[in-house]
Amino acid sequence: AQKITQTQPGMFVQEKEAVTLDCTYDTSDPSYGLFWYKQPSSGEMIFLIYQGSYDQQNATEGRYSLNFQKARKSANLVISASQLGDSAMYFCAMRELGSGAGSYQLTFGKGTKLSVIP
Amino acid sequence: DTGVSQDPRHKITKRGQNVTFRCDPISEHNRLYWYRQTLGQGPEFLTYFQNEAQLEKSRLLSDRFSAERPKGSFSTLEIQRTEQGDSAMYLCASSGGGTRVDTQYFGPGTRLTVL
Repeated sequence: AQKITQTQPGMFVQEKEAVTLDCTYDTSDPSYGLFWYKQPSSGEMIFLIYQGSYDQQNATEGRYSLNFQKARKSANLVISASQLGDSAMYFCAMRELGSGAGSYQLTFGKGTKLSVIP
Repeated sequence: DTGVSQDPRHKITKRGQNVTFRCDPISEHNRLYWYRQTLGQGPEFLTYFQNEAQLEKSRLLSDRFSAERPKGSFSTLEIQRTEQGDSAMYLCASSGGGTRVDTQYFGPGTRLTVL
């Protein structure tokens, strides 16, 4: 079963508008971390934001915020005030922490291609 | 402040040849990871090192693949007897700067094309 599901292959947003990219996850581990990465056409994965399963508040980093709904197992990325430079692939990823050190591998979704329209 | 670097950025080879990629992590990071990304997919985990010890290996890492990190600094990923199905982007990441989150920071990748 897929552990990370991103149901939007592509999204369009008008410049300066906000956009939400969806991510749902599946795990039985009570301790996990959720990450969002941006991948421009150049190929490099750029870390955007992190949410821990025990964090009480939704994470925010500048124009990025994470809408974390634990009971629904969703971790949607919200980008406010979109810019042309935001056009890229966006990947949601999870690390299951387990008991003790847990695993260090990240499991990624298939990504969402965001296009910002001027 | 240098990030993760990878060399080469692009590699074209013929089926059956061996190839080797290099990754230099962020200097203070003790953990290093290799991922493979095929077209239209997210990255898939291959293997992970803590210092020089290889602690996790994916089932994707067949016996044609070998990774090393001999001195706990840079790492190499070798693919022997390449096949067309090995064509992909190979991404390296590092982490371990002492933060609780242990975020993985990625390099620019090596794009492999097997003809």
